[in-house]
Amino acid sequence: EAQVTQNPRYLITVTGKKLTVTCSQNMNHEYMSWYRQDPGLGLRQIYYSMNVEVTDKGDVPEGYKVSRKEKRNFPLILESPSPNQTSLYFCASSPQGAWTEAFFGQGTRLTVV
Amino acid sequence: KQEVTQIPAALSVPEGENLVLNCSFTDSAIYNLQWFRQDPGKGLTSLLLIQSSQREQTSGRLNASLDKSSGRSTLYIAASQPGDSATYLCAVIGGANSKLTFGKGITLSVRP
Repeated sequence: EAQVTQNPRYLITVTGKKLTVTCSQNMNHEYMSWYRQDPGLGLRQIYYSMNVEVTDKGDVPEGYKVSRKEKRNFPLILESPSPNQTSLYFCASSPQGAWTEAFFGQGTRLTVV
Repeated sequence: KQEVTQIPAALSVPEGENLVLNCSFTDSAIYNLQWFRQDPGKGLTSLLLIQSSQREQTSGRLNASLDKSSGRSTLYIAASQPGDSATYLCAVIGGANSKLTFGKGITLSVRP
């Protein structure tokens, strides 16, 4: 089944403890990105990757890191999480970005206490 | 900066009604527009993608139209059902980073 898989689905952590949210797609898509969704603010792009080894900042990159060492995986890294990073996170992929349909993972609900 | 607006934020209709959800965007230089459905606590499910050269797309009871010059899109849902209750999000894709810019969504409730 074609899908974007995120793990974990739910995570509660403490301030300052490094964590990684994994994202994997099995559709051989070039473009991958991360979004966060917050009440009243909607979905905002954190980072994106046009293809392997090419990543760039989105609208709200502060406090996050990403890497794209292989086409299928695009992990989101929070080196020192803070409470303002409590949010619902989504990974998305699409064949070639602009002209093609985006597919989203099921989301990761992160709480930082 | 692209802005996407969806009004109203919430809508309640009786089952069987045909309805239209509106989406407007400020910058007409988009590649395409995509409608999504989001159920509570769940991910985003793609409903329809309209490329900038197209005027509309249909899938089952759903029909989405795009008027790029006026910065508007509509999602038409025919014969609504309680199972259609969800939040509907409109997103436009544009810019060098192929970013999706989302509206805040319309939460639809279809009453039996």
